[in-house]
Formats: sequence, C-alpha cells, structure tokens
Amino acid sequence: QVQLVQSGAEVKKPGSSVKVSCKASGGTFSSYAISWVRQAPGQGLEWMGGIIPIFGTANYAQKFQGRVTITADESTSTAYMELSSLRSEDTAVYYCARGGYSGYDLVGYFDLWGRGTLVTVSS
Amino acid sequence: EIVLTQSPGTLSLSPGERATLSCRASQSVSSSYLAWYQQKPGQAPRLLIYGASSRATGIPDRFSGSGSGTDFTLTISRLEPEDFAVYYCQQYGSSPNTWTFGQGTKVEIK
Repeated sequence: QVQLVQSGAEVKKPGSSVKVSCKASGGTFSSYAISWVRQAPGQGLEWMGGIIPIFGTANYAQKFQGRVTITADESTSTAYMELSSLRSEDTAVYYCARGGYSGYDLVGYFDLWGRGTLVTVSS
Repeated sequence: EIVLTQSPGTLSLSPGERATLSCRASQSVSSSYLAWYQQKPGQAPRLLIYGASSRATGIPDRFSGSGSGTDFTLTISRLEPEDFAVYYCQQYGSSPNTWTFGQGTKVEIK
C-alpha cells in the first residue's frame, strides 16, 4: 500500500529557506504527479505547485512563483519542495499529495496525502 | 481564477441527523471536476468525492455528492460520531495546473 512519508518539522529564521521531502513508499512513483498544499494555523488549504516526476516538469501557483522550487528524484521516489525568503506568514503545515497528469499538465484530484510537515518561521 | 464559496461556515448537528453542505463556484466548473475532502484535527485531508458525485475508495455510502455547473452539494445521510470534521470542496480542471479550495465547512456536534 502506497504511503507518502514526509520529513519532520522545521523551525526557520525569517529570510532563510526550507526544504521538505515526500517519499512514496510501497508503490510506483512515476505514474502520478505530486503536488504541495499548505495550511496555515486555523486556515484553509492552498495549492502551491506540483511536479510530474517522470518528466521533471513543475508548475507553480502564481502566488509562489519565484519563491518555491519543486523537484523530484525518481531513483528514490522522493519529491521535494523548497520555499525561500521565508516570512512569519509561511508558518504552516505543508502537505504533499498525489494527483494525476495529462501530457505535461497536472490534472485531477488528490487521492493520497502525506501526514504533513510543520514549518515554523520565527526569529 | 475560480473562487469556491462554501456554506454554511459551521453546521451544528446531532449524530443521526442529515448534513447538507454547499459549494458554489464563481464560474462554471468544467466536466464536474469538483472534489470533496474531509479533514479531522491534526490529520491530512482525505478524499471523499471526485467528479462531483463519485465516492473515493473506501468511503461509506452515507456520503454522496451532487451538482453541476456552479452549484455542488455534499450530503451525509446520517451523521456518525466520526463524521464531525471540516469539509472542503476543491475544483480541478478549469485550466491545467490550477486548483482552488473552498474555505471549508465545519460540522460540529450540537
């Protein structure tokens, strides 16, 4: 049974960067796309971007363009999300989620989620 | 960008009652690319419904989705204690590489 296993909680200073990992265990990685969704404390869900691992192509929400980088390593079935220039408003739980793709486009709903990684940005 | 508005913000009901949650889109959601998720405190969201009305694997049949165009509904026919949670709608497919979520409806025990 496939699971998405995320890296542990992080505490970062404003202005720094964080890199969160998401490893697919127990199943194939390359048949799907991986998206990243974040949730600030007490708030709703916000899609940040995603990647199609077999192509290595990533797409980002406009809000995060230039500040987020999503990559994937097919050999280890692991996706990464790096967010730079951190500010206090980036304090949130970051989830990876499995979706689909069509051609080079990310499409579809998210049928499998990681348990989330809490990133706290504080001086 | 399509904006999804969920109502009500909070629904206070008793176990055994019927819950009706609404999700309204600012423009038509193509091909019923509308999903519903359940989220309990401290947990990741869980897919309940996709394609507006198809239940995801393992989801009990007390959960049902309906609607098309701009108006969608999630119905829980008889609330079980484990159903008290926050529910989000999500649209996908209006254009590639974009997703939006509603702000959520909390179903709480009355």
